[in-house]
Amino acid sequence: TQLLEQSPQFLSIQEGENLTVYCNSSSVFSSLQWYRQEPGEGPVLLVTVVTGGEVKKLKRLTFQFGDARKDSSLHITAAQPGDTGLYLCAGAGKYIFGTGTRLKVLA
Amino acid sequence: SAVISQKPSRDICQRGTSLTIQCQVDSQVTMMFWYRQQPGQSLTLIATANQGSEATYESGFVIDKFPISRPNLTFSTLTVSNMSPEDSSIYLCSAQWTVQETQYFGPGTRLLVL
Repeated sequence: TQLLEQSPQFLSIQEGENLTVYCNSSSVFSSLQWYRQEPGEGPVLLVTVVTGGEVKKLKRLTFQFGDARKDSSLHITAAQPGDTGLYLCAGAGKYIFGTGTRLKVLA
Repeated sequence: SAVISQKPSRDICQRGTSLTIQCQVDSQVTMMFWYRQQPGQSLTLIATANQGSEATYESGFVIDKFPISRPNLTFSTLTVSNMSPEDSSIYLCSAQWTVQETQYFGPGTRLLVL
């Protein structure tokens, strides 16, 4: 069974702090996606990383795909309360979602 | 992009009964999926809803418990049959045009079984 393990599972930080979320697997993925889910809504795609070593930026969010395409990270700079939510990585094409990281940013 | 709606948004049901959840997409899509999400946890794929043929179920999910219909390219239903409290969860449908493209999710149906 392919698994995508995320860490940390929970994270509560103050507004303005930086944080990194990790997504790790023993399997190789052709691409990985990151989603954010807010309460009462379905997940919304943030980014897809395709190439090993690829780095993508979305405003204050930086996504990196590992060289071996088995892991990925999400770094948020100067977190804001609006970043609060459940962050999920997913193996594109295999419909496997990570274990999730619940982020709470306190004002 | 796609806009997906689900009905009902939430329900409270008695054990032993069945509930049918509807998923409507605002455009024709190639693929539709059904997921289950325990509160605060990640998503688990239940099945792929195939238009005009039987759904493809993932390990641990069977048609008798979760019958799925997909009569056309914009609509699908998931039935949770003979419910027990363990079926209490959020059920999400999603839509996708190709495997490498974005999956769009509905808002989910929150089910509580007493």
